[in-house]
Amino acid sequence: SAVISQKPSRDICQRGTSLTIQCQVDSQVTMMFWYRQQPGQSLTLIATANQGSEATYESGFVIDKFPISRPNLTFSTLTVSNMSPEDSSIYLCSVANTFRWPEAFFGQGTRLTVV
Amino acid sequence: GNSVTQMEGPVTLSEEAFLTINCTYTATGYPSLFWYVQYPGEGLQLLLKATKADDKGSNKGFEATYRKETTSFHLEKGSVQVSDSAVYFCALTGATGNQFYFGTGTSLTVIP
Repeated sequence: SAVISQKPSRDICQRGTSLTIQCQVDSQVTMMFWYRQQPGQSLTLIATANQGSEATYESGFVIDKFPISRPNLTFSTLTVSNMSPEDSSIYLCSVANTFRWPEAFFGQGTRLTVV
Repeated sequence: GNSVTQMEGPVTLSEEAFLTINCTYTATGYPSLFWYVQYPGEGLQLLLKATKADDKGSNKGFEATYRKETTSFHLEKGSVQVSDSAVYFCALTGATGNQFYFGTGTSLTVIP
């Protein structure tokens, strides 16, 4: 299994500002994923972050709004830029273990409120 | 494409009642299927999984069987406890096994 530490766990931010969320994994992983969980809704994949290359964004998400860094195999950041109240969500970091069986591990999430 | 349709909640049960949360899926190829649980204030945790047709995943008294003919993966538990109160997510992987697709989640509250 993988242990994922995500911070901050929650934040309240002013609209127009940016927040960077950090994700640290206790083992080296090739792929890290960032999800958004809007209130009362399911998880939506924002992007896949591979070490040493540009992140791959899903439809509806763009790099200018959600820039991602992946400087090494155990760490990634997601920035939510120029925030608006519609960005209020839980943001989750995830890693997938496909070495034996497919399985995903999740951080505890960052609960973001934009006011 | 890949998608998961999950029974909407919230669901409220008395302790020791029988639980079923329905989940059906649409997928290309042969996905693996999962149930994740999110306890209040915590992150998602894997509850159980099944990687091929007719497999039964089980954990903590919960069970789900991978039914390819009905494209379903319903979650069941014979006797729920107050500590089972959480949000349950059905999910599947795509062909590469990396990307996960989640249902909308079902909130379960068990009352004493």
